[in-house]
Amino acid sequence: GAVVSQHPSRVICKSGTSVKIECRSLDFQATTMFWYRQFPKQSLMLMATSNEGSKATYEQGVEKDKFLINHASLTLSTLTVTSAHPEDSSFYICLAGGPGNIQYFGAGTRLSVL
Amino acid sequence: EDQVTQSPEALRLQEGESSSLNCSYTVSGLRGLFWYRQDPGKGPEFLFTLYSAGEEKEKERLKATLTKKESFLHITAPKPEDSATYLCAVQANQAGTALIFGKGTTLSVSS
Repeated sequence: GAVVSQHPSRVICKSGTSVKIECRSLDFQATTMFWYRQFPKQSLMLMATSNEGSKATYEQGVEKDKFLINHASLTLSTLTVTSAHPEDSSFYICLAGGPGNIQYFGAGTRLSVL
Repeated sequence: EDQVTQSPEALRLQEGESSSLNCSYTVSGLRGLFWYRQDPGKGPEFLFTLYSAGEEKEKERLKATLTKKESFLHITAPKPEDSATYLCAVQANQAGTALIFGKGTTLSVSS
């Protein structure tokens, strides 16, 4: 299957700092990147959708100024959690959509904010 | 509103004991139904995409089927390594729209 590289896999940061998460599609062009977050024993919740070169579309209740998404190329998208707080601690996962409607996940990033 | 419901929430099987996981959905025009496997602390691994009622796909001990209202993931003679959470998701209308996920079924297979 297609490969989507996501890093870091785990990050611990202090409250008030910003954290950047990267997702790279290694063997296909990701025309669309979806960012999800997942709480323990909960479903994957869509945060935002981004198309290469366009501004991201955020789901209701997701603060666009807090979760900055950049999708500058067909192989790279980033999610920056700005001024992180303990309630932002979660598992963040990217899902890359490409040709033929393929949909592949990154490995996820476990964010812990102290 | 597009919705996905998976059942059961948890399933315990003995090795070799076949069973099925259910995914019921309501969606405004199904573009595709996806199955993923997720191990603890990892990103979901793609299993299948189904596009039309009556379609079936197989991979090793897994077979996915689709009707107009639900999908089943059949597990034949499971092994302990099949233990994981299985996620079902629907994509509405057209390619490029986001997947809507169910909460998953956590499968435990004991030897």
